[in-house]
Amino acid sequence: DIVMTQAPLSVSVTPGESASISCRSSKSLLHSNGITYVYWYLQKPGKSPQLLIYRMSNLASGVPDRFSGSGSETDFTLKISRVEAEDVGIYYCGQLLENPYTFGAGTKLELK
Amino acid sequence: EVQILETGGGLVKPGGSLRLSCATSGFNFNDYFMNWVRQAPGKGLEWVAQIRNKNYNYATYYAESLEGRVTISRDDSKSSVYLQVSSLRAEDTAIYYCTRSRYFDFWGPGTMVTVSS
Repeated sequence: DIVMTQAPLSVSVTPGESASISCRSSKSLLHSNGITYVYWYLQKPGKSPQLLIYRMSNLASGVPDRFSGSGSETDFTLKISRVEAEDVGIYYCGQLLENPYTFGAGTKLELK
Repeated sequence: EVQILETGGGLVKPGGSLRLSCATSGFNFNDYFMNWVRQAPGKGLEWVAQIRNKNYNYATYYAESLEGRVTISRDDSKSSVYLQVSSLRAEDTAIYYCTRSRYFDFWGPGTMVTVSS
């Protein structure tokens, strides 16, 4: 199974500042079709997860452009510019390259 | 508007079975893969099962940890997907989410399954 490792496990950010979350996969997520199958989700407190970024760097519909995704074949970053109160929650990276689909342990973002 | 709603959760004794349902609306259900993902209390996300659409012959895939105890199915005429879980164990206690597509782009609110005697 592909293991997804996130860091840090928690991050505390001053509103208006930026935050970065890292994710590493145990295997390349770059498919031969040129697509990198890493996804980012946010689970706000008491809610179900929502898709933020798909295929490493594509913003999901309705997601503010303060969010961005980047990376290589195995190392990925979610960046949040100008963090707002509504960004609080747990961020998960996930790989949808192959079964079983797997997720990182999550990174909890809190406000200072 | 895409809507997804899971039902069927509840308190079940170890060894028991449960059938979860996921009703959807607001999109052409026939076009999409559907998935179940679960989250144990205070834990992360665990993919459970996927069922593909007619174009992919309704192929099904399961997490190895659950294989043999779960069956995913769908009814395109009802825009619904189902998860049958048997031989339930305490470690199956979780919120079970129904998610749309190979992106997991929309999630329902989930249904809680508690396995306890």
